[in-house]
Amino acid sequence: IVMTQTPLSLSVTPGQPASISCKSSQSLLHSVGKTYLYWYLQKPGQSPQLLMYEVSSRFSGVSDRFSGSGSGTDFTLKISRVEAEDVGIYYCMQASHIPWTFGQGTKVEIK
Amino acid sequence: EEQLVESGGGLVQPGGSLRLSCAASEFTFSSFWMSWVRLAPGKGLEWVANIKQDGSEKYYVDSVKGRFTISRDNAKNSLYLEMNSLRAEDSAVYYCARGQSMFGLWGQGTLVTVSS
Repeated sequence: IVMTQTPLSLSVTPGQPASISCKSSQSLLHSVGKTYLYWYLQKPGQSPQLLMYEVSSRFSGVSDRFSGSGSGTDFTLKISRVEAEDVGIYYCMQASHIPWTFGQGTKVEIK
Repeated sequence: EEQLVESGGGLVQPGGSLRLSCAASEFTFSSFWMSWVRLAPGKGLEWVANIKQDGSEKYYVDSVKGRFTISRDNAKNSLYLEMNSLRAEDSAVYYCARGQSMFGLWGQGTLVTVSS
């Protein structure tokens, strides 16, 4: 499964919203009825961290400024109000089909 | 504090071998699937392999099948990645991560460089 993210880079003014698209080459709806689409963020100099799981569930401790949506092959991560601490590279990842695959990453910077 | 600590990375010649380790602490290691994910220079994240709690199921990305072996020792709270026939394209930071696909805990990574 090929995961395609757009845009590949994003420069955002603090306090403004941001949106990242992730499209898969096949439907991510698994036979068990779940969609295994995740969002990870790798901040500069840090290991990746989990933001969202199964499309729209926020991981423990993740700000409610982050939200995920989508179904089938089209997914979106939204940040309602970007803050300086949100800079880094955002990756979507699918785990509905082996092998798991990541998108190319979207680099988010602050203006 | 729950923690994963990788070790074993380094410089190796093409065709060589390396064994990565990941030590888990402050959580019940034997209750979780575990995974390896890598980040090559200038590239994005790539899932490498994962292993079920009891080691009975293992999955790999195609590019490492037959060359890499994932294993675990629940008595030692440790995860391993045996890497053979290494290629330049295997150069990356290798992270161990807790979970089958929902990677809620990551280690700090260990750097593997394959070069002559």
